[in-house]
Amino acid sequence: GAGVSQSPSNKVTEKGKDVELRCDPISGHTALYWYRQSLGQGLEFLIYFQGNSAPDKSGLPSDRFSAERTGGSVSTLTIQRTQQEDSAVYLCASSLSGTTDTQYFGPGTRLTVL
Amino acid sequence: GEDVEQSLFLSVREGDSSVINCTYTDSSSTYLYWYKQEPGAGLQLLTYIFSNMDMKQDQRLTVLLNKKDKHLSLRIADTQTGDSAIYFCAERSGGYNKLIFGAGTRLAVHP
Repeated sequence: GAGVSQSPSNKVTEKGKDVELRCDPISGHTALYWYRQSLGQGLEFLIYFQGNSAPDKSGLPSDRFSAERTGGSVSTLTIQRTQQEDSAVYLCASSLSGTTDTQYFGPGTRLTVL
Repeated sequence: GEDVEQSLFLSVREGDSSVINCTYTDSSSTYLYWYKQEPGAGLQLLTYIFSNMDMKQDQRLTVLLNKKDKHLSLRIADTQTGDSAIYFCAERSGGYNKLIFGAGTRLAVHP
């Protein structure tokens, strides 16, 4: 596609439920990133995928968070047993490779946990 | 550790210049970026500067980098109402691929 797309654009869920957020990177981009933007905060790095290498999960805030990337393209971020503090905008970005290339961001998924 | 700081709010009159400032702590930063976020939209890359440069100009945008003081600024000339947005400064540290972002500066442009 022309840019990074994410779905859904908005997700409202109840505390304790699991949610899945999807990211479609720019075609041909080998690197994919997930960030979280909480209200009034900057962006917080969550996880990074590069090709077939093991992902950098150093930013995941707890073991309730996981992500996978299938076929080197689409990625899914899963949050289990959601908590109210998980409410944020989850942004996905991709870059041509994982070194110095510019990261292009999707529009984000706004997650609200009631 | 890594930290990026920005002032949270800036108000300017239409037609004036805007200067948004950012400080960072990681001296090994290789690239520094400015992103723009409009309401309800994702982040749009505005410009970036490599750490061995001290200035970069792109149309109305001028980026200044003072590596000694770890200070980055974005100047927008002839600011327009369409420039109203949140501007994020970000650094990429050497050897790492993640970006470290500041909290963002909300720019308000008034007539």
